[in-house]
Amino acid sequence: QQPVQSPQAVILREGEDAVINCSSSKALYSVHWYRQKHGEAPVFLMILLKGGEQKGHDKISASFNEKKQQSSLYLTASQLSYSGTYFCGTEDPDSWGKLQFGAGTQVVVTP
Amino acid sequence: SAVISQKPSRDICQRGTSLTIQCQVDSQVTMMFWYRQQPGQSLTLIATANQGSEATYESGFVIDKFPISRPNLTFSTLTVSNMSPEDSSIYLCSILAGDYEQYFGPGTRLTVT
Repeated sequence: QQPVQSPQAVILREGEDAVINCSSSKALYSVHWYRQKHGEAPVFLMILLKGGEQKGHDKISASFNEKKQQSSLYLTASQLSYSGTYFCGTEDPDSWGKLQFGAGTQVVVTP
Repeated sequence: SAVISQKPSRDICQRGTSLTIQCQVDSQVTMMFWYRQQPGQSLTLIATANQGSEATYESGFVIDKFPISRPNLTFSTLTVSNMSPEDSSIYLCSILAGDYEQYFGPGTRLTVT
């Protein structure tokens, strides 16, 4: 079942922060985050595993609440390069490697 | 990290024809996947390409429409058969790197007229 992402879209000025949420109705083994720019393939950002720690990549970090089957992606001090569509992909314990993707969150960072 | 390439990068095909998409990885990988991304939509898993055995298809996708080959640990093909305009999408292969991380190829943009 497809995870639910929110918000659908967000517009930021450079330097502002944003949070993207991803929730599932099923127990999860992992949550994967990707960013896709127009006309390009999705680029892997990070993975959060059940029982694992909060991850960070430059000024983009994420958390995973296993009990609530929710993950959040934090964009801190956003840069123009952060613009794109962000997808979460969820993996349940019985489907190793098979990702179910959310509908995506479009992020636009303006000067 | 592994380098993934796909051929063709894009194609325009007539309805009723078939197209075979190739996915090549520069290192051996156990698990490869094929996804479809319809215009403006999210990614949907088509199947898992298993080396040495039949591909495993997700609900809504069948082997007759999307036959897959996986002859070795670095290569896979996906064929889109008897195409209709509804098959117009980006088709992406992905690999499982290490134990958990999944990386995508550049994609094949297919337009069916």
